[in-house]
Amino acid sequence: GEDVEQSLFLSVREGDSSVINCTYTDSSSTYLYWYKQEPGAGLQLLTYIFSNMDMKQDQRLTVLLNKKDKHLSLRIADTQTGDSAIYFCAEGSQGGKLIFGQGTELSVKP
Amino acid sequence: GAGVSQTPSNKVTEKGKYVELRCDPISGHTALYWYRQSLGQGPEFLIYFQGTGAADDSGLPNDRFFAVRPEGSVSTLKIQRTERGDSAVYLCASSLAGWSSGANVLTFGAGSRLTVL
Repeated sequence: GEDVEQSLFLSVREGDSSVINCTYTDSSSTYLYWYKQEPGAGLQLLTYIFSNMDMKQDQRLTVLLNKKDKHLSLRIADTQTGDSAIYFCAEGSQGGKLIFGQGTELSVKP
Repeated sequence: GAGVSQTPSNKVTEKGKYVELRCDPISGHTALYWYRQSLGQGPEFLIYFQGTGAADDSGLPNDRFFAVRPEGSVSTLKIQRTERGDSAVYLCASSLAGWSSGANVLTFGAGSRLTVL
């Protein structure tokens, strides 16, 4: 069945780059997504990538996709304290629903 | 509306009671999703609607859970005979179309926190 795995915690210093990793199992996934959840707030879409792309860059965010290994990563350049949140990757295939990982809690220390 | 609206934001109930959670999606969004998020976990898919019909209800955990969307807009998630294990944040999301070949961008509401005592 579909499964999405993420490491649970990541701690970085302000100004460093953060890399959050994700693996998924569904080879029919057409799009992969990154969402951000701040305390007490709803999930907010950050970016997504089509499964036939290797990389997508959007300002401080870079998404890398290795489709062969079913590995997805989100790099945040120049990480700020305001980036502290939980980051979820999700995969979506034909049929509409998204399957989410358990989330990676990013802690940014000044 | 401008965003996805969920009511109530908090609901405390006793074991065995019946609960209804409401979701008002973004106007014009044909697809509507219900997820459940337990503490420290990612959102777990429950059901999604395309228009008025349930396109996929494979995530509903048992027959105590039911959802409707009678006019293709507002949806209600209904939980009968609540159990302590039902305590979670119930998230609703909507999107322009679930079946299109493009990216399915879900916009989430703030959630309804359900506590079953």
